[in-house]
Amino acid sequence: AQKVTQAQTEISVVEKEDVTLDCVYETRDTTYYLFWYKQPPSGELVFLIRRNSFDEQNEISGRYSWNFQKSTSSFNFTITASQVVDSAVYFCALSEAGYGGATNKLIFGTGTLLAVQP
Amino acid sequence: ETGVTQTPRHLVMGMTNKKSLKCEQHLGHNAMYWYKQSAKKPLELMFVYNFKEQTENNSVPSRFSPECPNSSHLFLHLHTLQPEDSALYLCASSQERAGGPNTQYFGPGTRLTVL
Repeated sequence: AQKVTQAQTEISVVEKEDVTLDCVYETRDTTYYLFWYKQPPSGELVFLIRRNSFDEQNEISGRYSWNFQKSTSSFNFTITASQVVDSAVYFCALSEAGYGGATNKLIFGTGTLLAVQP
Repeated sequence: ETGVTQTPRHLVMGMTNKKSLKCEQHLGHNAMYWYKQSAKKPLELMFVYNFKEQTENNSVPSRFSPECPNSSHLFLHLHTLQPEDSALYLCASSQERAGGPNTQYFGPGTRLTVL
């Protein structure tokens, strides 16, 4: 069965610190996709990144970076030099590949609340 | 308007009321979704519509009734709800094609309180 675990419920850091949010997933499929979303207090989920299971290259986008390791079934997210505006709930999600155009279903973790203190 | 919009943003209703949530996507996508987000629980997929056809009903009680008149609009009709139905209801859309799931883009949600 598919499952996404975000063991860190809440993390509090001081501005400019680096912080890593953990995500561990379970799936029996060999083809799958992983996502990270950010949910600020306004409520809207903001898409951050999408990776497929065949691409293990780490990715960097500004202060954000992602470490995908199939060997440990993890897809961790690091924010470098955190800022107050990074305060939000961050969700990791998993989707198995659709077949014949089948619509995807996202399985979300429970989220990690990141509080960045000034 | 851009992206995915939802109205109303906040809704308070009694258990005997009937109300509807509206979602509109301006992205040209062909699939739309309803999710429920309750406190301290993972987001739960409720319904999926692909090309206006419902392709997923995740064992949702019949007091929630979705409607998708076209690929850009999605409604969630509510009647005789229970207090435990209080939650943030999120709408999303994506462009689906064979070969793999595509990114879902979310609206700001409707915060529903059932008294």
